[in-house]
Amino acid sequence: DGGITQSPKYLFRKEGQNVTLSCEQNLNHDAMYWYRQDPGQGLRLIYYSQIVNDFQKGDIAEGYSVSREKKESFPLTVTSAQKNPTAFYLCASSTSVAWTYEQYFGPGTRLTVT
Amino acid sequence: SQQGEEDPQALSIQEGENATMNCSYKTSINNLQWYRQNSGRGLVHLILIRSNEREKHSGRLRVTLDTSKKSSSLLITASRAADTASYFCATDEPRDYKLSFGAGTTVTVRA
Repeated sequence: DGGITQSPKYLFRKEGQNVTLSCEQNLNHDAMYWYRQDPGQGLRLIYYSQIVNDFQKGDIAEGYSVSREKKESFPLTVTSAQKNPTAFYLCASSTSVAWTYEQYFGPGTRLTVT
Repeated sequence: SQQGEEDPQALSIQEGENATMNCSYKTSINNLQWYRQNSGRGLVHLILIRSNEREKHSGRLRVTLDTSKKSSSLLITASRAADTASYFCATDEPRDYKLSFGAGTTVTVRA
C-alpha cells in the first residue's frame, strides 16, 4: 500500500520547545515538500528537497529546519524561533525534480503550541 | 507568495446541481493544477492542465484555462454529498517551479 505517512496526527507542545514532525513515503519519489496551512488559507511552502542530502528554503523557512538523509524520509523540525508555530503541516512528494507533476500529500499533522 | 485566487470563497449547492469555481492568477504559468481537501485531511490531486491546453475533462470534472485572461475554472457536474470539500488551484511559473496555492473555495453539497 503506497503513500505518504505523517505522524503524529495531533501534536501538542509548550512554547520554547523544538518539535519534529515525521514524513515518510514509499512511492520512490525524488522530490519532497513541507507546507504550512493556516485556517481559511492556502498552503505556503516551508522547505523542499529535490534529492537526498539536498534541500532548499521555500517562502516561509524561518524558524524551521529539515534534513533529507534518506530518499523515503523528510522530517521537519519546528524550532522555538518560529514565532507562530500553531498550524496544520502537510508533507508532499512528487516523481520528479520538475514541479510540473502532481504532488501526493500526506494526511497532515496538526501542531498546537501553548 | 500566493499567486492563485479562487472565487467564490464558499459555495453551497443542492445535490445533483453543478458547481463552478474560478481561479485567477497574476503571472505567466507552466501549468495549473486543481486539488481537493476534505476537512482536516491532506490534499488530493484532481487534474493538471498545461498552459497550451484550453480544456480538460476527468469524470465529472471539467477544467478550462484561459491564459489571455489568466484564469481557470473548475466545473463539477451532478454534484454529490461526497464532493463537499475545499478546492484549491495551484500554479507553477516558468523558471521557478514552486507551486503557489490559492486560498481555496469551500463547497458544501446539501442532500
